[in-house]
Amino acid sequence: NAGVTQTPKFQVLKTGQSMTLQCAQDMNHEYMSWYRQDPGMGLRLIHYSVGAGITDQGEVPNGYNVSRSTTEDFPLRLLSAAPSQTSVYFCASSYSGAANQPQHFGDGTRLSIL
Amino acid sequence: AQTVTQSQPEMSVQEAETVTLSCTYDTSESDYYLFWYKQPPSRQMILVIRQEAYKQQNATENRFSVNFQKAAKSFSLKISDSQLGDAAMYFCAYSLRGTSYDKVIFGPGTSLSVIP
Repeated sequence: NAGVTQTPKFQVLKTGQSMTLQCAQDMNHEYMSWYRQDPGMGLRLIHYSVGAGITDQGEVPNGYNVSRSTTEDFPLRLLSAAPSQTSVYFCASSYSGAANQPQHFGDGTRLSIL
Repeated sequence: AQTVTQSQPEMSVQEAETVTLSCTYDTSESDYYLFWYKQPPSRQMILVIRQEAYKQQNATENRFSVNFQKAAKSFSLKISDSQLGDAAMYFCAYSLRGTSYDKVIFGPGTSLSVIP
C-alpha cells in the first residue's frame, strides 16, 4: 500500500551513540518532515524538506541532522544520542499544494536513550 | 506566538452517543488552517478534518464535524454515533496559510475512550 514507511519501529541506544531513522514515501510528495512526540505534548517539528536537496530547521532541531537526496527518502540522524532525545518520532509527507498540512504519517519510531 | 490548547486531557463517551472535544488557539493572523488529527493505539496519525479560516461553513466528514468560532478562537470536534474504533488520542493543530511546515502547531491532545 502507498504511504510513509518508517524504520525501525523500536530502538534502544546508549548515550553518545549515533543512528539514522529511515523514512520513505512512495506518493511522490514534495514535502516531508520529522516530528517528535513526548508525553503530554503535541508533535513538535524537528526538520522539514520542501523538495530534494532542500531542508530547513523546525522548532526543535538541535542534535539532529537531515538530508534529502531523493524525493522518496528523508532520513533523520541523531549525531550523539542523549536521554532527552527519548521520544516517539514521526515522519510525515504531503503534496506541494498542502505544504503546511502534514497529511500522511508513518507508524512512528519509539526511541529510548539509556 | 501561536498556541493551541486542549483543556480536556481525557474524555469518555458511550458507544453510539455524541461527544465534543474542545480546542482553543491564539493567533493574531487572519488566514490559517485548523485540523483535527486522530492517533489510535497503533500510533499512526490520521488527518480527520480540516477547516480553512476564511470559510464560514463548518467542515464535516461523515460522523465528524467541527464548530469553528473564529472570533472566539475556538475549534471543537463533534463525533456523532461514537464507535469503538473512535477510541484514540485527538490532536488539534493550527497552521498559517501559505507558509511552510515551521508554522504547524499541535495541541497536547485529548484521550478519548469509548465505552461499549
